[in-house]
Amino acid sequence: DIQMTQSPSSLSASVGDRVTITCQASQDISNYLNWYQQKPGKAPKLLIYDASNLETGVPSRFSGSGSGTDFTFTISSLQPEDIATYYCQQYDNLHMYTFGQGTKLEIK
Amino acid sequence: EVQLVESGGGLVQPGGSLRLSCAASGFTFSSYWMHWVRQAPGKGLVWVSRINSDGSSTSYADSVKGRFTISRDNAKNTLYLQMNSLRAEDTAVYYCARETRITIFGVVIGNYFDYWGQGTLVTVSS
Repeated sequence: DIQMTQSPSSLSASVGDRVTITCQASQDISNYLNWYQQKPGKAPKLLIYDASNLETGVPSRFSGSGSGTDFTFTISSLQPEDIATYYCQQYDNLHMYTFGQGTKLEIK
Repeated sequence: EVQLVESGGGLVQPGGSLRLSCAASGFTFSSYWMHWVRQAPGKGLVWVSRINSDGSSTSYADSVKGRFTISRDNAKNTLYLQMNSLRAEDTAVYYCARETRITIFGVVIGNYFDYWGQGTLVTVSS
């Protein structure tokens, strides 16, 4: 099974800061990597699909990059409403899906 | 408007059974693969199971294989998860999610969970 290692597990930043979260796959997953945002008590929300594509309606301060085994999620200028937990998620050709452990983002 | 509404959660004793439902609306349900994803209290997201659009193919996480069964009724626009031999570690909020797949000449080049339900809580406890 493919393992996803997401880091950091928690992050504290100030409004306006640039925030970066990384996700590493245990083997090559091409660009089959998505990013989700989850606010407390809510369902996850898709932000980035196929490593770097911004979902419709998602603010452009969110971005993703990477391919193969190493991926990065960036918020260019942190806003108060971005406080949430962020997850990466991969898909493999055996129809198995794995989420990263999550990154809890807080305001400093 | 796409909507996914889960139901069927509740309190069940260890070893018991429960069937979750997910009612879909606002899209052509029979055209999409569907999933169940769970989240234990205070923990992260864990993928549980998926089913293809016509119900002929399924896959499961190792932790539920042999105990859980995913199915769908395309005439009723409803997804199901039959959960048997429940354990305390199955306690979680269970979400259904729609998978959108991007294909070129029949080859999947990307996929993602673009719509989620609000979740239903399953508590396994004596």
